[in-house]
Amino acid sequence: AQSVTQPDIHITVSEGASLELRCNYSYGATPYLFWYVQSPGQGLQLLLKYFSGDTLVQGIKGFEAEFKRSQSSFNLRKPSVHWSDAAEYFCAVDWSGGYNKLIFGAGTRLAVHP
Amino acid sequence: DADVTQTPRNRITKTGKRIMLECSQTKGHDRMYWYRQDPGLGLQLIYYSFDVKDINKGEISDGYSVSRQAQAKFSLSLESAIPNQTALYFCATSTVTGANTGELFFGEGSRLTVL
Repeated sequence: AQSVTQPDIHITVSEGASLELRCNYSYGATPYLFWYVQSPGQGLQLLLKYFSGDTLVQGIKGFEAEFKRSQSSFNLRKPSVHWSDAAEYFCAVDWSGGYNKLIFGAGTRLAVHP
Repeated sequence: DADVTQTPRNRITKTGKRIMLECSQTKGHDRMYWYRQDPGLGLQLIYYSFDVKDINKGEISDGYSVSRQAQAKFSLSLESAIPNQTALYFCATSTVTGANTGELFFGEGSRLTVL
């Protein structure tokens, strides 16, 4: 079965530190890949997406992600975390060939210490 | 105003009651979705619709039904609510044209508690 794994349930970093959130997916075909962020009491907002082309993708709020086909991974990174980045982050994968049927990981909750 | 609006935002009900969650959008998108969010499980797709005459089951459709009353409106019903349907429900929309192709646009969620 198709699945998306975010190995880290909670991560805590200090403000100004670098961040990497991991995402791995099953299944052989290269899917469409997404990272969403959910702030408390809010819906989900797209940070970035990968469909094809350059495997390093830039997103909003200073985030980037790198698609590694050999590792079936799409890890999210930010060089310097701000306190406002505290939120829950979801990796999502679309294997439906453009039908927008996303499968989400369980999420990683990020806490930022001052 | 939000582009994707969900009502109610919070609802507490009792086991066996019928509940309807409503979603309306002003984005002009054809595709609409209902997801359920549970802690530790991420979001799971309940139903999706690509236009008014097209309704499809998602991963966890049992116990739910939907209605696409218009291009901009997509409602989710729980005919007889049970406690394990307590969750945060999200409506989302998408388009297949333009720069936002493939992206889901989410409402702010409807928190449902079934006692």
